[in-house]
Amino acid sequence: GAGVSQSPSNKVTEKGKDVELRCDPISGHTALYWYRQRLGQGLEFLIYFQGNSAPDKSGLPSDRFSAERTGESVSTLTIQRTQQEDSAVYLCASSLDYGTPGFFGQGTRLTVV
Amino acid sequence: QKEVEQDPGPLSVPEGAIVSLNCTYSNSAFQYFMWYRQYSRKGPELLMYTYSSGNKEDGRFTAQVDKSSKYISLFIRDSQPSDSATYLCAMSAGGGNKLTFGTGTQLKVEL
Repeated sequence: GAGVSQSPSNKVTEKGKDVELRCDPISGHTALYWYRQRLGQGLEFLIYFQGNSAPDKSGLPSDRFSAERTGESVSTLTIQRTQQEDSAVYLCASSLDYGTPGFFGQGTRLTVV
Repeated sequence: QKEVEQDPGPLSVPEGAIVSLNCTYSNSAFQYFMWYRQYSRKGPELLMYTYSSGNKEDGRFTAQVDKSSKYISLFIRDSQPSDSATYLCAMSAGGGNKLTFGTGTQLKVEL
């Protein structure tokens, strides 16, 4: 596609439910990143995928958060047993490789009620 | 103390004004510095990308990095209402996209 695509755009879920967020990177981009943007705060790095290398999971806030990526294609971020503090915009970015700046998707706005 | 500090604003200026946006940081390992623009309910869009100290100009935008002071700036000349957005500074040590962001400065350019 022309840009990074994320779905759904908005998600409202009940506390305790699991949610799955999807990111479609720009074709050919080997690097893919997930960030979280909470209200009034800067973007927080969550996880990074580079090709077939082991992902850098150092930003995941708890073991309720996990992400997968198959090859250089779609990535999914899963949040289990959602809590109200998980409410945020989840942003995905992709880049040609680790060293080049990334292009962001428009994000998924998650609201946990 | 946050690694990257940025005044959240809002900053309101008249059309045509020169805008100065700034960030300070504490991690001396940061070498790559970026400015992103984010419109409401959109993803961040890269404006400027610089390495180490110095200036970089692109059209109406100039980015400055002063590593000795741990201070970076973005100047916008001849500001337009379409520049109204939140401006995020971001930086990294290793050049990749594992970035540390400021909280963003909300800018409004008024007619």
